Order: sequence, then C-alpha cells, then structure tokens
Amino acid sequence: DADVTQTPRNRITKTGKRIMLECSQTKGHDRMYWYRQDPGLGLRLIYYSFDVKDINKGEISDGYSVSRQAQAKFSLSLESAIPNQTALYFCAIEGSSTDTQYFGPGTRLTVL
Amino acid sequence: EDQVTQSPEALRLQEGESSSLNCSYTVSGLRGLFWYRQDPGKGPEFLFTLYSAGEEKEKERLKATLTKKESFLHITAPKPEDSATYLCAVTNSGYALNFGKGTSLLVTP
Repeated sequence: DADVTQTPRNRITKTGKRIMLECSQTKGHDRMYWYRQDPGLGLRLIYYSFDVKDINKGEISDGYSVSRQAQAKFSLSLESAIPNQTALYFCAIEGSSTDTQYFGPGTRLTVL
Repeated sequence: EDQVTQSPEALRLQEGESSSLNCSYTVSGLRGLFWYRQDPGKGPEFLFTLYSAGEEKEKERLKATLTKKESFLHITAPKPEDSATYLCAVTNSGYALNFGKGTSLLVTP
C-alpha cells in the first residue's frame, strides 16, 4: 500500500464551487504539506502542518484553507474555486526526525 | 530572496551518453539540497539529500554533488527508463522546500 494517498485523483469543477482535496498517510509522520504544481512554475508550498494543532501558511495560501483532522489526514479546501487554481496538487509527508519529504500521487484539478 | 535555477530546461541523450544536470541556488543558510525524479502524472520521487559542500551521493547511474553555489546530478550511461523530469529543491528552514522548475530528460534507445 502507498504511504501517501490522495483523493480524488482527478477532479473537474466549475468556478465558484467549494472543493476539498484529501490526503492520508500510513507512516505516522507528524509533518504534512500541500503543494501545487503549474507548468513552467515548479512546485509551490500552499500550507504545512507540524501536528494537529500546528498549521502554517506557505508561499501561496490565498484562496485556500486546510484542516488537519488527525495525524494521518490533512485536507485542502478551495472555498470558491477559480480557473487559475487549475493545477496539479501534491500532498507530502515528513518525519520530524528527518529532512526528507515524500510525495503523494497528486490530484489533477481543473476549474472551468 | 531564495532562488533555485535548473539547467538545461530540457535534455535529450542517446542511451549510454553520460551528462550532467545543473542546479544553481542562492539561499542564506542552506539546510539541505534535495533531488527528486518526477514521471509524467506522478508525484516527485525522492533521490538524494545533500547538506554541505563537497558531499556526494550515488544511486545506480546517478551521482549528486554539491558546492557552495550549485549542485550537479551526473547521469552515467543512461537508459531510456531514466527519462523523467528531475527536480532540485533547497531549504534554509529545514522544512519549507523551494523548488526549481526542473530539467526534462529524454533518453532515446
């Protein structure tokens, strides 16, 4: 089984809709991250969490919110989706005693 | 502002033709430099972490090196299955990664 699972894997939605992307992990790592990837721009950090009660904004948090429901689950929400949020979204996990982030398979989101 | 620049943007090699990918960085207080491999439609796959100038790490046909200003990913005798996008990232915080745009590598038979 994969260490990091993301659902859905693909999603098409319309402008103005609320959407939630989910990430779950089986490694018991404390740190979890959300990134988006756009062609020509690379991966950019949206939010990160060091534990259930510690959530922090990343480089591009505007228009997004997150929830750390449990150590294993970290969800990303788009309150009112807009077309320029069309991108690949990746969740990553990291153990507090290591420096290495391991990525999930990604969610391809299209906002029409 | 921290910056990571990868070159070339794209590279095409014949099978067996060795080459190097470059990652130049400007960051105050480097805490780590990371190399990832990404296949189309998949998440980045961790390859190496380098912490200090002079450090080298190897895995199969790949070897990563680090200086105070740049890192190289050397690919020796590549095979078609090495075709992927290679991403470089740095951190000065120990957690937030700053990624480059990647080098797209194509190895032809």
